[in-house]
Amino acid sequence: DVKVTQSSRYLVKRTGEKVFLECVQDMDHENMFWYRQDPGLGLRLIYFSYDVKMKEKGDIPEGYSVSREKKERFSLILESASTNQTSMYLCASTTTGQSYSYEQYFGPGTRLTVT
Amino acid sequence: AQTVTQSQPEMSVQEAETVTLSCTYDTSESDYYLFWYKQPPSRQMILVIRQEAYKQQNATENRFSVNFQKAAKSFSLKISDSQLGDAAMYFCAYYRNNNDMRFGAGTRLTVKP
Repeated sequence: DVKVTQSSRYLVKRTGEKVFLECVQDMDHENMFWYRQDPGLGLRLIYFSYDVKMKEKGDIPEGYSVSREKKERFSLILESASTNQTSMYLCASTTTGQSYSYEQYFGPGTRLTVT
Repeated sequence: AQTVTQSQPEMSVQEAETVTLSCTYDTSESDYYLFWYKQPPSRQMILVIRQEAYKQQNATENRFSVNFQKAAKSFSLKISDSQLGDAAMYFCAYYRNNNDMRFGAGTRLTVKP
Protein backbone atom coordinates (compact mmCIF):
# COMPACT_ATOMS: atom_id res chain seq x y z
CA ASP A 1 0.00 0.00 0.00
CA VAL A 2 1.22 3.46 -0.93
CA LYS A 3 2.56 5.43 1.98
CA VAL A 4 3.82 8.94 2.56
CA THR A 5 4.80 9.86 6.10
CA GLN A 6 5.76 13.16 7.68
CA SER A 7 7.97 13.50 10.72
CA SER A 8 5.51 15.40 12.93
CA ARG A 9 1.76 16.01 12.99
CA TYR A 10 2.08 19.09 15.19
CA LEU A 11 5.06 21.38 15.73
CA VAL A 12 5.46 24.58 17.74
CA LYS A 13 8.55 26.70 17.12
CA ARG A 14 9.75 30.15 18.08
CA THR A 15 10.41 33.00 15.70
CA GLY A 16 13.92 32.81 14.29
CA GLU A 17 14.38 29.09 14.86
CA LYS A 18 15.54 26.79 12.06
CA VAL A 19 12.83 24.24 11.36
CA PHE A 20 13.11 20.91 9.55
CA LEU A 21 10.08 19.10 8.18
CA GLU A 22 10.75 15.64 6.86
CA CYS A 23 8.82 13.54 4.40
CA VAL A 24 9.41 9.92 3.47
CA GLN A 25 7.69 7.86 0.77
CA ASP A 26 7.99 4.13 0.27
CA MET A 27 6.75 3.94 -3.32
CA ASP A 28 10.04 4.64 -5.16
CA HIS A 29 8.46 7.79 -6.62
CA GLU A 30 10.65 10.18 -8.58
CA ASN A 31 8.68 13.35 -7.85
CA MET A 32 8.13 14.85 -4.42
CA PHE A 33 6.40 18.08 -3.46
CA TRP A 34 5.97 20.42 -0.52
CA TYR A 35 2.81 22.48 -0.20
CA ARG A 36 1.40 24.79 2.37
CA GLN A 37 -2.32 24.76 2.98
CA ASP A 38 -4.10 27.84 4.28
CA PRO A 39 -7.85 28.43 4.65
CA GLY A 40 -9.30 30.10 1.59
CA LEU A 41 -6.10 29.68 -0.38
CA GLY A 42 -6.04 25.95 -0.99
CA LEU A 43 -2.68 24.29 -1.56
CA ARG A 44 0.24 26.34 -2.77
CA LEU A 45 3.40 24.72 -4.06
CA ILE A 46 6.59 25.65 -2.23
CA TYR A 47 9.17 23.41 -3.93
CA PHE A 48 9.28 20.17 -5.82
CA SER A 49 11.97 17.65 -6.69
CA TYR A 50 12.02 15.32 -9.69
CA ASP A 51 15.17 13.43 -8.73
CA VAL A 52 17.78 13.09 -6.00
CA LYS A 53 19.58 16.40 -5.43
CA MET A 54 17.30 18.10 -7.97
CA LYS A 55 14.82 20.79 -6.94
CA GLU A 56 12.69 23.46 -8.49
CA LYS A 57 10.91 26.43 -6.99
CA GLY A 58 7.16 26.46 -6.81
CA ASP A 59 4.89 29.45 -6.36
CA ILE A 60 5.98 30.53 -2.87
CA PRO A 61 9.61 29.48 -2.24
CA GLU A 62 10.63 32.59 -0.29
CA GLY A 63 11.75 31.76 3.22
CA TYR A 64 12.06 28.05 2.48
CA SER A 65 14.68 25.66 1.19
CA VAL A 66 14.62 21.92 0.49
CA SER A 67 16.94 18.97 0.47
CA ARG A 68 16.70 15.63 -1.30
CA GLU A 69 19.72 13.46 -0.61
CA LYS A 70 17.89 10.15 -1.01
CA LYS A 71 15.08 9.25 -3.36
CA GLU A 72 12.63 8.42 -0.61
CA ARG A 73 13.21 11.51 1.55
CA PHE A 74 12.40 15.16 0.91
CA SER A 75 13.02 17.76 3.58
CA LEU A 76 11.60 21.25 3.89
CA ILE A 77 13.70 23.76 5.81
CA LEU A 78 12.58 27.05 7.28
CA GLU A 79 15.89 28.86 7.74
CA SER A 80 14.50 31.40 10.20
CA ALA A 81 10.89 30.73 11.10
CA SER A 82 8.48 33.64 11.10
CA THR A 83 4.90 33.90 12.34
CA ASN A 84 3.59 34.16 8.77
CA GLN A 85 4.88 30.65 8.18
CA THR A 86 2.33 29.27 10.63
CA SER A 87 0.41 26.85 8.43
CA MET A 88 -0.36 23.25 7.51
CA TYR A 89 2.44 21.72 5.43
CA LEU A 90 1.68 18.82 3.13
CA CYS A 91 4.14 16.55 1.39
CA ALA A 92 3.18 14.58 -1.72
CA SER A 93 4.77 12.27 -4.27
CA THR A 94 4.08 10.97 -7.77
CA THR A 95 5.70 8.59 -10.18
CA THR A 96 6.68 8.99 -13.81
CA GLY A 97 6.57 5.26 -14.39
CA GLN A 98 4.62 3.40 -17.04
CA SER A 99 1.40 3.55 -15.12
CA TYR A 100 1.79 7.24 -14.54
CA SER A 101 -1.59 8.63 -13.63
CA TYR A 102 -0.36 11.99 -12.32
CA GLU A 103 -2.14 11.21 -9.06
CA GLN A 104 -0.44 12.75 -6.06
CA TYR A 105 -0.11 10.73 -2.86
CA PHE A 106 -0.19 12.91 0.21
CA GLY A 107 1.24 12.66 3.68
CA PRO A 108 -0.88 13.41 6.76
CA GLY A 109 0.42 16.96 7.07
CA THR A 110 2.37 18.88 9.70
CA ARG A 111 0.59 21.72 11.44
CA LEU A 112 3.32 24.22 12.28
CA THR A 113 2.78 27.07 14.69
CA VAL A 114 5.44 29.76 14.96
CA THR A 115 5.16 31.93 18.06
CA ALA B 1 -0.52 31.50 -14.32
CA GLN B 2 -3.36 29.04 -14.49
CA THR B 3 -6.09 29.44 -11.88
CA VAL B 4 -8.59 27.04 -10.40
CA THR B 5 -11.74 28.48 -8.85
CA GLN B 6 -14.08 26.74 -6.47
CA SER B 7 -16.90 29.21 -5.94
CA GLN B 8 -18.57 27.33 -3.06
CA PRO B 9 -16.54 27.56 0.16
CA GLU B 10 -19.14 25.42 1.94
CA MET B 11 -21.87 23.03 0.88
CA SER B 12 -24.20 20.76 2.77
CA VAL B 13 -26.26 17.77 1.71
CA GLN B 14 -28.72 15.45 3.34
CA GLU B 15 -27.62 11.86 3.70
CA ALA B 16 -28.65 9.78 0.65
CA GLU B 17 -29.16 12.91 -1.47
CA THR B 18 -27.06 14.17 -4.37
CA VAL B 19 -24.74 17.18 -4.30
CA THR B 20 -22.66 18.88 -6.98
CA LEU B 21 -19.45 20.76 -6.27
CA SER B 22 -18.33 23.34 -8.84
CA CYS B 23 -14.91 24.01 -10.27
CA THR B 24 -13.74 26.23 -13.10
CA TYR B 25 -10.22 26.68 -14.34
CA ASP B 26 -8.24 28.82 -16.68
CA THR B 27 -5.80 27.44 -19.24
CA SER B 28 -4.71 27.98 -22.81
CA GLU B 29 -3.50 24.37 -23.08
CA SER B 30 -5.42 21.53 -24.68
CA ASP B 31 -3.73 18.60 -22.96
CA TYR B 32 -3.97 18.44 -19.18
CA TYR B 33 -5.48 16.50 -16.30
CA LEU B 34 -8.10 17.45 -13.75
CA PHE B 35 -8.59 15.92 -10.33
CA TRP B 36 -10.87 16.00 -7.35
CA TYR B 37 -9.17 15.25 -4.04
CA LYS B 38 -10.88 14.64 -0.71
CA GLN B 39 -9.41 15.64 2.65
CA PRO B 40 -11.41 14.16 5.56
CA PRO B 41 -11.04 15.85 8.95
CA SER B 42 -7.57 15.12 10.38
CA ARG B 43 -6.89 12.55 7.68
CA GLN B 44 -4.76 12.35 4.58
CA MET B 45 -5.85 13.80 1.27
CA ILE B 46 -6.82 11.14 -1.24
CA LEU B 47 -7.77 11.09 -4.89
CA VAL B 48 -11.49 10.87 -5.64
CA ILE B 49 -11.55 11.01 -9.41
CA ARG B 50 -9.41 11.98 -12.39
CA GLN B 51 -10.25 13.27 -15.87
CA GLU B 52 -7.94 13.43 -18.88
CA ALA B 53 -8.72 16.50 -20.97
CA TYR B 54 -8.43 14.59 -24.25
CA LYS B 55 -11.23 12.25 -23.21
CA GLN B 56 -14.75 13.43 -23.96
CA GLN B 57 -16.36 10.84 -21.74
CA ASN B 58 -16.95 11.97 -18.18
CA ALA B 59 -15.11 9.96 -15.53
CA THR B 60 -17.08 7.92 -13.01
CA GLU B 61 -15.99 6.17 -9.83
CA ASN B 62 -18.88 4.44 -8.05
CA ARG B 63 -21.01 7.23 -6.50
CA PHE B 64 -18.70 9.96 -7.80
CA SER B 65 -18.92 11.37 -11.29
CA VAL B 66 -17.79 14.50 -13.05
CA ASN B 67 -19.30 16.84 -15.59
CA PHE B 68 -16.35 17.93 -17.71
CA GLN B 69 -17.08 20.81 -20.07
CA LYS B 70 -13.79 21.51 -21.83
CA ALA B 71 -14.90 24.52 -23.83
CA ALA B 72 -16.43 26.11 -20.75
CA LYS B 73 -13.42 25.06 -18.63
CA SER B 74 -15.72 23.59 -16.06
CA PHE B 75 -15.19 20.44 -14.01
CA SER B 76 -17.91 19.73 -11.44
CA LEU B 77 -18.10 16.76 -9.08
CA LYS B 78 -21.38 15.00 -8.42
CA ILE B 79 -21.73 12.83 -5.34
CA SER B 80 -24.76 10.55 -5.43
CA ASP B 81 -26.34 8.82 -2.44
CA SER B 82 -24.26 10.94 -0.05
CA GLN B 83 -22.91 9.19 3.01
CA LEU B 84 -21.68 10.53 6.35
CA GLY B 85 -18.18 9.48 5.36
CA ASP B 86 -18.27 11.87 2.41
CA ALA B 87 -17.96 14.83 4.79
CA ALA B 88 -14.62 16.45 3.98
CA MET B 89 -12.82 19.27 2.22
CA TYR B 90 -12.84 18.72 -1.52
CA PHE B 91 -10.15 20.23 -3.72
CA CYS B 92 -10.26 20.59 -7.47
CA ALA B 93 -6.83 20.43 -9.12
CA TYR B 94 -5.40 21.10 -12.57
CA TYR B 95 -2.20 19.43 -13.74
CA ARG B 96 -0.22 19.70 -16.94
CA ASN B 97 3.28 19.14 -15.60
CA ASN B 98 5.16 19.74 -12.36
CA ASN B 99 5.70 23.36 -13.37
CA ASP B 100 2.06 23.90 -14.33
CA MET B 101 -0.44 22.74 -11.75
CA ARG B 102 -2.93 24.42 -9.42
CA PHE B 103 -5.31 23.57 -6.63
CA GLY B 104 -8.55 25.37 -5.88
CA ALA B 105 -9.30 26.89 -2.47
CA GLY B 106 -11.51 23.95 -1.51
CA THR B 107 -15.16 23.28 -0.68
CA ARG B 108 -16.12 22.04 2.76
CA LEU B 109 -18.91 19.48 2.43
CA THR B 110 -21.15 18.72 5.39
CA VAL B 111 -23.43 15.67 5.30
CA LYS B 112 -26.51 15.87 7.49
CA PRO B 113 -27.97 12.64 8.91
